[in-house]
Amino acid sequence: VQLVQSGAEVKKPGASVKVSCKASGYTFTTKYLHWVRQAPGQGLEWMGILNPSDGSITYARRFQGRVALTRDTSTSTVYMELSSLTSEDSAVYYCLVVSYAWGQGTLVTVSS
Amino acid sequence: EIVLTQSPGTLSLSPGERATLSCRASQSVSSSYLAWHQQKPGQAPRLLIYGASSRATGIPDRFSGSGSGTDFTLTIRRLEPEDFAVYYCQQYGTSTNTFGQGTKVEIK
Repeated sequence: VQLVQSGAEVKKPGASVKVSCKASGYTFTTKYLHWVRQAPGQGLEWMGILNPSDGSITYARRFQGRVALTRDTSTSTVYMELSSLTSEDSAVYYCLVVSYAWGQGTLVTVSS
Repeated sequence: EIVLTQSPGTLSLSPGERATLSCRASQSVSSSYLAWHQQKPGQAPRLLIYGASSRATGIPDRFSGSGSGTDFTLTIRRLEPEDFAVYYCQQYGTSTNTFGQGTKVEIK
């Protein structure tokens, strides 16, 4: 099982970022996929979860309205888009399939 | 939202010793949907345990998870040098998941 994420991003305040997570080694539609972030020197923060089978989604309350998870079942890929970025969104963003594996992480830096 | 409280914050032990990490939930965790993750500096987290007690693929059997309801434990039977790291618990039994704040296992 592998979760491979897209590369590092540098964004300006107010912009949006879209990070991808491509799954392989298992049947994509059978496992929920989570997004988690970690700010520098901080713990893990859960952002949301997507069911690849039917596309249903739950977001953490603090990200409601600012985050969007989508999927492409033809490529076994899940996308996380975060909008209205501020410096506090500078973090490493991970995808996770509990019972399998973590992605390698994507560093997002928000700076003017 | 279920709050997970991990204790202790830091555990100072020597290689070969046994480590016992606690994760307490503010409400019962449904169907033991509790996972443990290990993270070393500069690395992505690694899944150790899911379903409260099932080891993930490739995880040595010195790692074991136990517990149900609101009290869960991660035990490392004999600490190896590579086990010194930060450990997080995660509950995924509700629509809104949460993580504990982490326990750092450091070399004494």
